[in-house]
Amino acid sequence: GAVVSQHPSRVICKSGTSVKIECRSLDFQATTMFWYRQFPKQSLMLMATSNEGSKATYEQGVEKDKFLINHASLTLSTLTVTSAHPEDSSFYICSARWQDTEAFFGQGTRLTVV
Amino acid sequence: AQSVTQLDSHVSVSEGTPVLLRCNYSSSYSPSLFWYVQHPNKGLQLLLKYTSAATLVKGINGFEAEFKKSETSFHLTKPSAHMSDAAEYFCVVSEDTGGFKTIFGAGTRLFVKA
Repeated sequence: GAVVSQHPSRVICKSGTSVKIECRSLDFQATTMFWYRQFPKQSLMLMATSNEGSKATYEQGVEKDKFLINHASLTLSTLTVTSAHPEDSSFYICSARWQDTEAFFGQGTRLTVV
Repeated sequence: AQSVTQLDSHVSVSEGTPVLLRCNYSSSYSPSLFWYVQHPNKGLQLLLKYTSAATLVKGINGFEAEFKKSETSFHLTKPSAHMSDAAEYFCVVSEDTGGFKTIFGAGTRLFVKA
């Protein structure tokens, strides 16, 4: 199947700093990318949907100034957690799809804010 | 509105016995349904998907699921559990209503006893 690569897989950062997570579709062009957050022992919660070349659509309750999403090309979307705090520590997963095909998931990024 | 209910938060089986993970959904449109598996600290892996073709869907690792529209169910089964099947399983419903929307169930943790 198609491959979605997420980087880094793990990151530890200091409180107050910003962290960027990359999501790349390696063998297909992703017209839509999704960003999810997963708290321990819970399901995935959709944070935002981004379409290439346009602004991301955020789910209710997700701070767009806190979680900056950029989808500048058909193969790359980035999620930047700005001024991170310990409560932002979580598992973040992206997925990508081409038009109406199924979505393929990245391996996830474990963010720890200390 | 769409929703997904995984009826069991935990399922425990003995190795070699059948597995049944239950999922009910609601959707206003013709949905696509998926089962994903997540091993600890790993990303999501697609097990199988239903997209309005055959109602009995076969997936990887011996898993299969049957779409029953009258019961709005999409239960996941496997004839014989293996220790490596121990993981978290997510039932997912997806529908394209002009804006593509994917909803995850809360997840079912499968334990396999030796």
